[in-house]
Amino acid sequence: DTAVSQTPKYLVTQMGNDKSIKCEQNLGHDTMYWYKQDSKKFLKIMFSYNNKELIINETVPNRFSPKSPDKAHLNLHINSLELGDSAVYFCASSQTSGGGQYFGPGTRLTVT
Amino acid sequence: DAKTTQPPSMDCAEGRAANLPCNHSTISGNEYVYWYRQIHSQGPQYIIHGLKNNETNEMASLIITEDRKSSTLILPHATLRDTAVYYCIVRVNYGGSQGNLIFGKGTKLSVKP
Repeated sequence: DTAVSQTPKYLVTQMGNDKSIKCEQNLGHDTMYWYKQDSKKFLKIMFSYNNKELIINETVPNRFSPKSPDKAHLNLHINSLELGDSAVYFCASSQTSGGGQYFGPGTRLTVT
Repeated sequence: DAKTTQPPSMDCAEGRAANLPCNHSTISGNEYVYWYRQIHSQGPQYIIHGLKNNETNEMASLIITEDRKSSTLILPHATLRDTAVYYCIVRVNYGGSQGNLIFGKGTKLSVKP
């Protein structure tokens, strides 16, 4: 069974569109994250979220918003997509009490 | 978060031990050393973490110096599938916002036949 899954794996869309990426974890973790990996392969945290707090990296545009319907899901909504949003987006989860983070396989977003 | 320094690249012969060093001279007393790796086109993979004692699991061993200013990740019998970028990260052992991972450039390990 896949621990952290993301859909879709690939997403190609035009500038100005609104899109969502879904993430689900079956590890029973209570904290989830979104990371962005750009073309230079740098991984950067975008959000961390549990049922008590949402922490947004100050560099993330407000066009990006996480939505968590329940503890096992953290979806990423992106409004008014721009060329610079093209990247691979990774979801991850962990326990708030600590330990390693477990990552999904990534979603490659291409904005044309 | 404390800054870490890793060599940009290393080679290792298949079947031999791969020893990946990491310097973290400004590590705080409550910060752990975490290791992750990213195989090409995959998501990062958690390997191991430790505070001050040496740790071992099914994937690797982590050796932390007594002063905690450096550590070494050991893959005892490297295989071609261990070719990846390895990241050493120091952070508090907390899964909330205080525990966000700050990735550096890592070490690109190439395991050769």
